Amino acid sequence: KNEVEQSPQNLTAQEGEFITINCSYSVGISALHWLQQHPGGGIVSLFMLSSGKKKHGRLIATINIQEKHSSLHITASHPRDSAVYICAVRPYNTDKLIFGTGTRLQVFP
Amino acid sequence: NAGVTQTPKFQVLKTGQSMTLQCAQDMNHEYMSWYRQDPGMGLRLIHYSVGAGITDQGEVPNGYNVSRSTTEDFPLRLLSAAPSQTSVYFCASSSQGFYGYTFGSGTRLTVV
Repeated sequence: KNEVEQSPQNLTAQEGEFITINCSYSVGISALHWLQQHPGGGIVSLFMLSSGKKKHGRLIATINIQEKHSSLHITASHPRDSAVYICAVRPYNTDKLIFGTGTRLQVFP
Repeated sequence: NAGVTQTPKFQVLKTGQSMTLQCAQDMNHEYMSWYRQDPGMGLRLIHYSVGAGITDQGEVPNGYNVSRSTTEDFPLRLLSAAPSQTSVYFCASSSQGFYGYTFGSGTRLTVV
């Protein structure tokens, strides 16, 4: 079993829909990161969370440390949101990241 | 623009050849790392460095060497390329505290 599990693996949506991507992990962590990988391959860091909730534009990320779970929400989705969204965790006392396999999102007009 | 510069973007090697993937950052980040990305798998850590002169192995270090002689540069060397090293490679950097990671644009390597 992977230490970081994402669901769903693939997600399709119509423009305007509310999107939720989930990430569960099995280790104690210092922080959790959400990343976005564009169709061209580039990877961008979206959020770093150690507790609570963060919001940036139409993106909202939440984390529940006790339940070892995080969600990434996209409100009013748009075709330009189409990308792979990757969850990664940094376990306690390490400098390393452990990555999930990603969620491929396609938003259609 | 500030960021992580990774070269080359594409490379084809023959089995047994050696090459160096270059990675440079201009943000004075202490932490640098190399990952490989394979279909159906998450990014996997190859090697990382927490500062100049300090490197350590990640999850999949075999067949790769690194060095960190300056804060800015962190090259990845393939000593004798094998088809199993066909992958997309990413370099990333982060400041102390790991508040966010900056990734290079990736190198698509094919070993034939």
